[in-house]
Amino acid sequence: GNSVTQMEGPVTLSEEAFLTINCTYTATGYPSLFWYVQYPGEGLQLLLKATKADDKGSNKGFEATYRKETTSFHLEKGSVQVSDSAVYFCALSDLAAGNKLTFGGGTRVLVKP
Amino acid sequence: SAVISQKPSRDICQRGTSLTIQCQVDSQVTMMFWYRQQPGQSLTLIATANQGSEATYESGFVIDKFPISRPNLTFSTLTVSNMSPEDSSIYLCSAQNTGELFFGEGSRLTVL
Repeated sequence: GNSVTQMEGPVTLSEEAFLTINCTYTATGYPSLFWYVQYPGEGLQLLLKATKADDKGSNKGFEATYRKETTSFHLEKGSVQVSDSAVYFCALSDLAAGNKLTFGGGTRVLVKP
Repeated sequence: SAVISQKPSRDICQRGTSLTIQCQVDSQVTMMFWYRQQPGQSLTLIATANQGSEATYESGFVIDKFPISRPNLTFSTLTVSNMSPEDSSIYLCSAQNTGELFFGEGSRLTVL
């Protein structure tokens, strides 16, 4: 079956630091990959996505590249802000599984001023 | 896009009781889903709410415990029946529109 593994948190950073959250996946088909963000007290929001190999998703300074050879979709941001403090979820959807989303465990990121 | 409203946003419930969570979408959507997020864990899909027919449940979830209704293309309910402390979770409604999945803010249930 499909699965998503992401690094455990919490990740604590200082403002303007570089952020990387690792995400690897297992899928039976050719999945689309997503990063969702959950800010404190809010619902999940789509941060970025990539639908095929070598695609790069980007939004709000965050980037992630779909790497089929390493089955990875690592999230990066060059200079984080306090407002980036949130829980980040890596996810995949696979047409072979009815396009249902499979989520990773989530990574809590805390950015300190 | 789609804006999803859930009620209640949080509740404290007694063991053995049932609670119904409502999910309203501001536009017609084809697919609606219910997820559970247990404390400190990721999201797990409970079921797909099908309009006009019975919901499709994932492994480990059954209709008797989590009955779901979807009377139209903008509304769904999830009932958590005969609750126990293990049911303490955030329950999230989501809807698929134009290929993107949108989430409500979730309903945080605490079962005593």
